Amino acid sequence: QKEVEQDPGPLSVPEGAIVSLNCTYSNSAFQYFMWYRQYSRKGPELLMYTYSSGNKEDGRFTAQVDKSSKYISLFIRDSHPCDSATYLCATRVASGGGADGLTFGKGTHLIIQP
Amino acid sequence: DSGVTQTPKHLITATGQRVTLRCSPRSGDLSVYWYQQSLDQGLQFLIQYYNGEERAKGNILERFSAQQFPDLHSELNLSSLELGDSALYFCASSVGTSRTGELFFGEGSRLTVL
Repeated sequence: QKEVEQDPGPLSVPEGAIVSLNCTYSNSAFQYFMWYRQYSRKGPELLMYTYSSGNKEDGRFTAQVDKSSKYISLFIRDSHPCDSATYLCATRVASGGGADGLTFGKGTHLIIQP
Repeated sequence: DSGVTQTPKHLITATGQRVTLRCSPRSGDLSVYWYQQSLDQGLQFLIQYYNGEERAKGNILERFSAQQFPDLHSELNLSSLELGDSALYFCASSVGTSRTGELFFGEGSRLTVL
């Protein structure tokens, strides 16, 4: 079992819809949770970051972490065609020096239809 | 533009050969991370350097090596190349050891091994 599982999609929704993207993880030591967005032919860019369980909102984006079920979600409200991209969830443990890399899901390819 | 520069953008070579990928981190960033992205494996952490010293190792093959120079740029050396090494190689940087997971990624070097 991979440490972070993510449905690759593609997920296709009409413009304006609410999008729900999800990941599950297996390592209970993961404490930091992130969502990265990757456009075609570009590197990933950080969208949202949360620590431990809870919700975090930033504009049209809401990140949610449920550590009891090891479930990570990203919600996009009022979706636009420019949101079409691959969304990668990422996690890491809370090591003292932060000297470790992130563990990424494989990414979900999202298509917003105009 | 993330501020992270990677060269070359594209590289085509033959099995058994050796290549070097180069990365210049964002100005002021001391940490450099290397990731490999392939369709079947997703984004895999290879190695991290902090201010010239190796800090963490991920799924890096023995045929691969990296270093970070005094001017903080980094190189990833891939030798005895195999077909399966064909992938996108990303460099990312952060100010410190990225407790929050905010890594700034370059646009990647696409390696094709024939």
